[in-house]
Order: sequence, then C-alpha cells, then structure tokens
Amino acid sequence: DIQMTQSPSSLSASVGDRVTITCRASQTISRYLNWYQQKPGKAPKLLIYGASSLQSGVPSRFSGGGSGTDFNFTISSLQPEDFASYYCQQSYSNPGTFGQGTKVETK
Amino acid sequence: QLQLQESGPGLVKPSETLSLTCSVSGGSVSSSSYYWGWIRQPPGKGLEWIGNIYYNGKTYYNPSLNSRVTISADTSKNQFSLILTSVTAAETAFYFCVRKQVTIFGLIDYWGQGILVTVSS
Repeated sequence: DIQMTQSPSSLSASVGDRVTITCRASQTISRYLNWYQQKPGKAPKLLIYGASSLQSGVPSRFSGGGSGTDFNFTISSLQPEDFASYYCQQSYSNPGTFGQGTKVETK
Repeated sequence: QLQLQESGPGLVKPSETLSLTCSVSGGSVSSSSYYWGWIRQPPGKGLEWIGNIYYNGKTYYNPSLNSRVTISADTSKNQFSLILTSVTAAETAFYFCVRKQVTIFGLIDYWGQGILVTVSS
C-alpha cells in the first residue's frame, strides 16, 4: 500500500489566518491526490481533487498544489466554518489510502 | 442530486458477521462511470478503504480484509451491500458508503451519512 504522511496532526489558528497542511506519499502518485474536510459527526466532503482542482461549489480560499510525492493544502483566510479535520487521499492505486488527518482548532 | 443511505444493525457480536446495505437514489449502480464502495472510520480515528464494486460486478477488496469481505450489488433495488465476517471489537467504526469516479482522478464525490457499527457482546 502507498503510505500517506500528513502533517501536522493538529494545529491551532485564528479566523483570518493562513493555514497550510502537507501530505507526503511513500511513492510517486503523479497528481492523484485529493483533499477532504470532515466536521464532527459528518461524512467527509471533497474539497480538492487532482492535487489542485477545486471541487464545484467549494470556496476559492481553499487551494492545493504539488505532484509526485509532496503535496500541500492551503486555506488562505480561515473562516469560522473551516474549523474541522482535513484528510489527504491518494487515488493512484488501490487501496486509496488516506493521511492520518489534521485537526484545525481555534487558538 | 445523488443520495446514499446506509442501513443495517448497529450492534454485532464478536466473531459474527457485519452486514450493511447502501441504498442509492438520484443515480444508478449500473452506471459505468463510477465505483461504489465502502470506507470505515473508527471513532476519533482515520479513514480506511474497505473495497468497491463496479457495474459489471468486478470487485476490489483491501488486502488487509480480503478473505473476510464481500461487496455485492442488486441492480433491481439500486443497492449495494457489504458483508464482513468474523468481526472483532477493533472493527467498531462508522461505515460509509461512497461513490468514486472511474476517471477524474478517482475522486470520491458522494458519501452516505455513515452508520456506527459497534462490535460488542
């Protein structure tokens, strides 16, 4: 299986802050990297696919980049509704493994 | 708008069989554009891909579960199902049914709300 290492596992931030999360794959996955947001008691929601493409309806403050093995996810200006957990997932090969998640908490 | 809804027992005894069904509305499990799959998440922990089924009946199972898992589809009811045998307490988790694109980077664009299955005697 391809291992996905996500960091940090948690972070504290304030509304308006710029937040960046990184994800590293154990082998090259081209741009087959997706980002999901999960709020407590809810299913994950797709935000970014193909490393940098914004899913329809997702605010433009969310962005992603990278290719190969190293990827990043950024929230340009954190909003109150963005406090949640975020997961990267590789879809290059089965099983589509996930990072361990990053919990974004209020400072 | 596609909707996925999981159903099944919320409590299963250790060593017994977990059986869940996902009902699909607003779309068809017979579409060649998607895989239909299952993902689980122990409370407070990360996400694990269990497996998926394609419209032609072809399945993929996570090798960590391979010998215990079966995913099937009933096109007449527009449903797909998960069977996991010989469960242990460590498999207490939220089980989500999902739709995964065949193309478009294999993204997962729809999730069910999830169902908590507790494995306990």
